[in-house]
Amino acid sequence: AQSVTQPDIHITVSEGASLELRCNYSYGATPYLFWYVQSPGQGLQLLLKYFSGDTLVQGIKGFEAEFKRSQSSFNLRKPSVHWSDAAEYFCAVQNQAGTALIFGKGTTLSVSS
Amino acid sequence: DADVTQTPRNRITKTGKRIMLECSQTKGHDRMYWYRQDPGLGLRLIYYSFDVKDINKGEISDGYSVSRQAQAKFSLSLESAIPNQTALYFCATSDLRRVGADTQYFGPGTRLTVL
Repeated sequence: AQSVTQPDIHITVSEGASLELRCNYSYGATPYLFWYVQSPGQGLQLLLKYFSGDTLVQGIKGFEAEFKRSQSSFNLRKPSVHWSDAAEYFCAVQNQAGTALIFGKGTTLSVSS
Repeated sequence: DADVTQTPRNRITKTGKRIMLECSQTKGHDRMYWYRQDPGLGLRLIYYSFDVKDINKGEISDGYSVSRQAQAKFSLSLESAIPNQTALYFCATSDLRRVGADTQYFGPGTRLTVL
């Protein structure tokens, strides 16, 4: 069965430091991959998505993600974290039938000053 | 105005009560979804609908029902609420016409507490 794994439940990063959030998926074909962010008390906002083509995808708020087929990974990165980036981050993959998204369990990011 | 709205935003109810959560969208999308979010479990799909006449069960549909009243409206009902249905509920939409690109847009969520 398809699945998405986010190995890190909680990460703390200093403001201004770089960030990498990990995401691994299980899927036989070329996946459609997404990263969403959920700020406290808010809904989910799409950060970026990968469908095909360039494996390095740029998103909003200075985030990027790299699709690595050999590692079944789609890690999210940001070169310099801001305090406002503190939130919960979800990786998702479209299911094989194309009918829904399968979400990871999320990674909570805390930013220290 | 928000593209995907949910009402109510917060609700406290008692075990055994019937409750309806409503979702409306102005994006003109065909597909609508209901998810629940529990701490440490991420989002899980309850029901989804690809048009007014199409309703499909998701991963965790037991104890829930839905109604697609119009293209823009998709309601989730708990016929007899129980405490383990306490969760954050999200509605989402996506555009069927963008084949293969199921980018979903989420509402702000409804926090439901069942006592």
